[in-house]
Amino acid sequence: SQELEQSPQSLIVQEGKNLTINCTSSKTLYGLYWYKQKYGEGLIFLMMLQKGGEEKSHEKITAKLDEKKQQSSLHITASQPSHAGIYLCGADLHTGGFKTIFGAGTRLFVKA
Amino acid sequence: NAGVMQNPRHLVRRRGQEARLRCSPMKGHSHVYWYRQLPEEGLKFMVYLQKENIIDESGMPKERFSAEFPKEGPSILRIQQVVRGDSAAYFCASSLFERQVLTYEQYFGPGTRLTVT
Repeated sequence: SQELEQSPQSLIVQEGKNLTINCTSSKTLYGLYWYKQKYGEGLIFLMMLQKGGEEKSHEKITAKLDEKKQQSSLHITASQPSHAGIYLCGADLHTGGFKTIFGAGTRLFVKA
Repeated sequence: NAGVMQNPRHLVRRRGQEARLRCSPMKGHSHVYWYRQLPEEGLKFMVYLQKENIIDESGMPKERFSAEFPKEGPSILRIQQVVRGDSAAYFCASSLFERQVLTYEQYFGPGTRLTVT
């Protein structure tokens, strides 16, 4: 089973609509990363969250890490076709050193 | 400021051949990570290297796979005697600081897509 669960697996939204992607772990996360991957391409770093309750925004994308540092959400406001892609959350687990694990990704499609 | 560079971007190998994937980290970064992404799956950690040292190879298959990061030149992920199951996207990432003690963001390269025929 995945140590880092992402939901939903895929999402189709109408342009202009808001959406939220979730990333959940049963373990405490020491660093939470959000990446965007365009189909067939590499990963683009979006944001990193470290502290419980932390929230960061970049343009129309906001990410939050809950107080217990076990869940993060990524919220996109007024989605555009350029937001389409695969959103991956990655997190550091401490196992004698930090190892990053990734969720399976959320595939976002934005209908114009 | 060049980002993480990987080459080749696409690599086709026949079963039994060797595949060599190269990764040049961002300027100033001396920590390199390799990940594998199978179709429709997330990224799986393979190995973490610093210059001339393998720090964590817990995600590397026991056989046929090896990685190095020499003092000079790019990091190399080498797959010997490739099989169809090795077909995947292989991503390299680099970070500025050591990630054993504190967390720091990793920056990813565009990946090498390996196809084994």
